Amino acid sequence: DAKTTQPPSMDCAEGRAANLPCNHSTISGNEYVYWYRQIHSQGPQYIIHGLKNNETNEMASLIITEDRKSSTLILPHATLRDTAVYYCIVRVGGSQGNLIFGKGTKLSVKP
Amino acid sequence: GAVVSQHPSWVICKSGTSVKIECRSLDFQATTMFWYRQFPKQSLMLMATSNEGSKATYEQGVEKDKFLINHASLTLSTLTVTSAHPEDSSFYICSARVRLSNQPQHFGDGTRLSIL
Repeated sequence: DAKTTQPPSMDCAEGRAANLPCNHSTISGNEYVYWYRQIHSQGPQYIIHGLKNNETNEMASLIITEDRKSSTLILPHATLRDTAVYYCIVRVGGSQGNLIFGKGTKLSVKP
Repeated sequence: GAVVSQHPSWVICKSGTSVKIECRSLDFQATTMFWYRQFPKQSLMLMATSNEGSKATYEQGVEKDKFLINHASLTLSTLTVTSAHPEDSSFYICSARVRLSNQPQHFGDGTRLSIL
């Protein structure tokens, strides 16, 4: 079973920041948090991952709480093409483990 | 970024035939590859994990004799759906990463399989 909890859906206005929350209260000390998104009829696209420090790349920022029990993915300026299902995943089993997908958050970016 | 190529992207075939799907890592050596299946309006379900040169490890409920996985090289894994039936129709997605690494898995664009 997935170790994360996400809201099933969110809306965001185009050009505004999209903040997608994720709870992972049972995360272990060596388990990373990964974020992917899936646009309809495509394979998942990697966005970002982190252990305990906040991370930023060209796509997004990842904010992880100090206790590591939750995180937030931030898309700073959402566009219509960011409409997708976003998955927050804790890899079960550490570096040897697999990505188990939950139901994710359906983000709808509206004009 | 890392690229995983999956082929074919779409296949339609008659019931009882076997279908092979290829997954290639184009710019890195994928010591571990994964196969997922996704039914409409559902999330991805992990079917099996394979390490290069080893037999695949199948998830509970996945028939290993029906879904044959070969991972003979560091850049190629194949999934063969044997004697496919309409209930095998689904979206099959492969993924690859370097083994024992916290680097992310990268996914192919999937293969939509329709069995008539």
